[in-house]
Amino acid sequence: AQSVAQPEDQVNVAEGNPLTVKCTYSVSGNPYLFWYVQYPNRGLQFLLKYITGDNLVKGSYGFEAEFNKSQTSFHLKKPSALVSDSALYFCAVIAITGFQKLVFGTGTRLLVSP
Amino acid sequence: DTAVSQTPKYLVTQMGNDKSIKCEQNLGHDTMYWYKQDSKKFLKIMFSYNNKELIINETVPNRFSPKSPDKAHLNLHINSLELGDSAVYFCASSQERNQPQHFGDGTRLSIL
Repeated sequence: AQSVAQPEDQVNVAEGNPLTVKCTYSVSGNPYLFWYVQYPNRGLQFLLKYITGDNLVKGSYGFEAEFNKSQTSFHLKKPSALVSDSALYFCAVIAITGFQKLVFGTGTRLLVSP
Repeated sequence: DTAVSQTPKYLVTQMGNDKSIKCEQNLGHDTMYWYKQDSKKFLKIMFSYNNKELIINETVPNRFSPKSPDKAHLNLHINSLELGDSAVYFCASSQERNQPQHFGDGTRLSIL
């Protein structure tokens, strides 16, 4: 069965500092991996995805994520955080083959302080 | 022009009532989904349709019934509402199941 773990309920970072939001996954075979962001009272918005190719994926709003197959991780990063990045972030995985269903992690709240 | 739109945005109703939530997407996507997000923000898929055909039906009470009149619409009907149904329900769509999903802004259902 597919699963995603986001070990941190909340990440606190000062504006201008780099941020990392952690994600590890479990899936049979190769994965497609996604990061989504949710602002208050809004739906999820797609940030970036890994399908194949370069392990470092660049996405919207200056975010990037690094796929590490040996550690089954897909951590979200940004070199310099903004207060407006404060939101709820979800990692998600779907298997490339077999029965495909997107499974979300439990979410990590990012709080960027001025 | 909203890509995935849900109505209503808020739904407050009494236990035991029947209610529907509508969803429409104008992205030309083949696949649509219903998700439930609980008070702890956990997000769980309920149903998925591909070209009007049901392809995912998670462990959801029979009181929940999705209907897809065409591939741009996926409605959710809920019978005999219970207190535990209180949540935010999100509709989403994607071109294929392994492509990014586009979400509506949710319907906040509150059961009194």
